[in-house]
Amino acid sequence: EDQVTQSPEALRLQEGESSSLNCSYTVSGLRGLFWYRQDPGKGPEFLFTLYSAGEEKEKERLKATLTKKESFLHITAPKPEDSATYLCAVTMYSGGGADGLTFGKGTHLIIQP
Amino acid sequence: GAGVSQSPSNKVTEKGKDVELRCDPISGHTALYWYRQSLGQGLEFLIYFQGNSAPDKSGLPSDRFSAERTGGSVSTLTIQRTQQEDSAVYLCASSSALYQPQHFGDGTRLSIL
Repeated sequence: EDQVTQSPEALRLQEGESSSLNCSYTVSGLRGLFWYRQDPGKGPEFLFTLYSAGEEKEKERLKATLTKKESFLHITAPKPEDSATYLCAVTMYSGGGADGLTFGKGTHLIIQP
Repeated sequence: GAGVSQSPSNKVTEKGKDVELRCDPISGHTALYWYRQSLGQGLEFLIYFQGNSAPDKSGLPSDRFSAERTGGSVSTLTIQRTQQEDSAVYLCASSSALYQPQHFGDGTRLSIL
């Protein structure tokens, strides 16, 4: 069964303390891996798409990387406004048309001032 | 509008009633997706539309759920004879084409009494 597992479930950091979030996946035929940020009471906000192993994307304090089995979201010198739940999702090559995203359960990140 | 719009933002109804949830995608987006997010659970894919067509309805939880899209734009998700287990946040997303990044609305929070 195709699965997406995120770790840790929750992470508390001090402002400026860099860290990484992990997303491991077991899917047959990865088409793309997506990172989203979700704030309470809001829908997920798109951050990055990665398509092939070795690919990297950056945006402000965030950097996403992809290997054949996992992806990392690196957060450098985070600020309190980076506090959110970070979601990882995948799409797969399938026999028919487009399937929806398969999501992990997310990492709840808290950045303390 | 600039983003995906969903209405109502909140809906409280009695068990056994029918509900209709509406999604207005980003203008020009041909693909539209429905997801469900339950407390403590990840996002669960329900159904997608390419234009007005939904090629695969197997993700819908039961035959009480149906969805349609008209004019390649607005979509409605209908739940008949609601049950308490239907309580969740229903999220809609759209993308410029299949497999492109999906952009989410803020969802409809559905509570079944």
